This record gives sequence, C-alpha cells and structure tokens, in this order.
Amino acid sequence: GAGVSQSPSNKVTEKGKDVELRCDPISGHTALYWYRQSLGQGLEFLIYFQGNSAPDKSGLPSDRFSAERTGGSVSTLTIQRTQQEDSAVYLCASSLGLAGGNIQYFGAGTRLSVL
Amino acid sequence: DQQVKQNSPSLSVQEGRISILNCDYTNSMFDYFLWYKKYPAEGPTFLISISSIKDKNEDGRFTVFLNKSAKHLSLHIVPSQPGDSAVYFCAASREGSARQLTFGSGTQLTVLP
Repeated sequence: GAGVSQSPSNKVTEKGKDVELRCDPISGHTALYWYRQSLGQGLEFLIYFQGNSAPDKSGLPSDRFSAERTGGSVSTLTIQRTQQEDSAVYLCASSLGLAGGNIQYFGAGTRLSVL
Repeated sequence: DQQVKQNSPSLSVQEGRISILNCDYTNSMFDYFLWYKKYPAEGPTFLISISSIKDKNEDGRFTVFLNKSAKHLSLHIVPSQPGDSAVYFCAASREGSARQLTFGSGTQLTVLP
C-alpha cells in the first residue's frame, strides 16, 4: 500500500480482556517496529522485526505483550489480560532496513482504551 | 533515564518568523538524529534527519543543526507557516541496535497568523 496501515483506529476494551492490533507495512519494507505513546509522553519502542530474523523484543513491558509477523509482512501485536496502564496509542512503523539512518514511516496508530 | 529531551513543551511564533525547536541527548552512542512532525490523530511524519558526521542539514524551509560536543540539536523552520503548527518530536538512533528510535517528549509548535 501507499503507507503504513493500522487497524482498528480505536479500541475500547475492559480490563482483563485480550486485544489484537494489526499493522500492514509499506510494501517492500523489511523492517517493522511497534511503539506506544502514553498520554503526554514520547514514543516508546516495543518490538522490532527484520526480515526472517528473530524479533528484538527488548522493549516489551511485560510478558502480557507479544507480537508476530507473518510472511514478512503483516504484524499483529497482542496484549493479554489488559490493564488500565496499557491505555495508549500504539504505533507501527516500517522502513527499508538498517541502511543509513533507517528512516521509519509511521501509521496513524491504534488508540487503546482499557476501562 | 530520558536519553532524548525536549525541554520546551510548547512554542508560539508569528507567521513568517523563525521557529527554533531544541533537543538534547545524553547517549554519546547515538549517531543519527531525526525530526518528526505529528498532527492530531495522525502518525508521526518524517521531516528531516542528520548523521553525526555532519553539523547541518537543510531541506527547503527546514534546517537541522547538530552540536555533538554539547549533545544538542535544533530544528529551524523559516519562514514559519500556520500549517507548521503541530507537535515536533526529536528522535535518535545508534548503530548496533535494531536502529529503534528513542524519542523526546515533543514540542507543540503554534504558528500564529
């Protein structure tokens, strides 16, 4: 597609429920990142996928968070047993890879609200 | 520990004047710096970047300056336009990592007509 696509744009859930957030990166981009932005904060790195390599999960805040990337394209971020502190905007970005400075292009994000 | 800091949460300038947004960093391993602009309900949009081997990069109305010794960078927008009103994020990355971006907390720029 022309840009990074994320769905849903908004998600309201109850505490304790599981949620899945989807990211469709720019065609041809091998690198895919997930970030989250909590209220009044900058973006916080969560996880990184590059091609078929094992993902870099160093930013995941707890084992309730997981992500997968199927076929080197679409990615799903799953949050199990959601907590109120998980409320944030979850942003996905993709890039051509690590060449040069690795400019990342972002989707519009999924706003998650945990009640 | 906040490795990238934007100490001004907001900035207002008059249309046609210069906007200067500042960013400081603490990690000397950062070697690439980027500025993103974000409108409400949209994702960040890449604006301009600079490698640590340079001290200036210019693209149209936007210029980024890097002072490595001071661990400081700034974004200059001249002339400022009302459409520039947005939140501006400074970000940095380093080699040897996943090149994930470390972001500052952002500066809300308002350009007054």
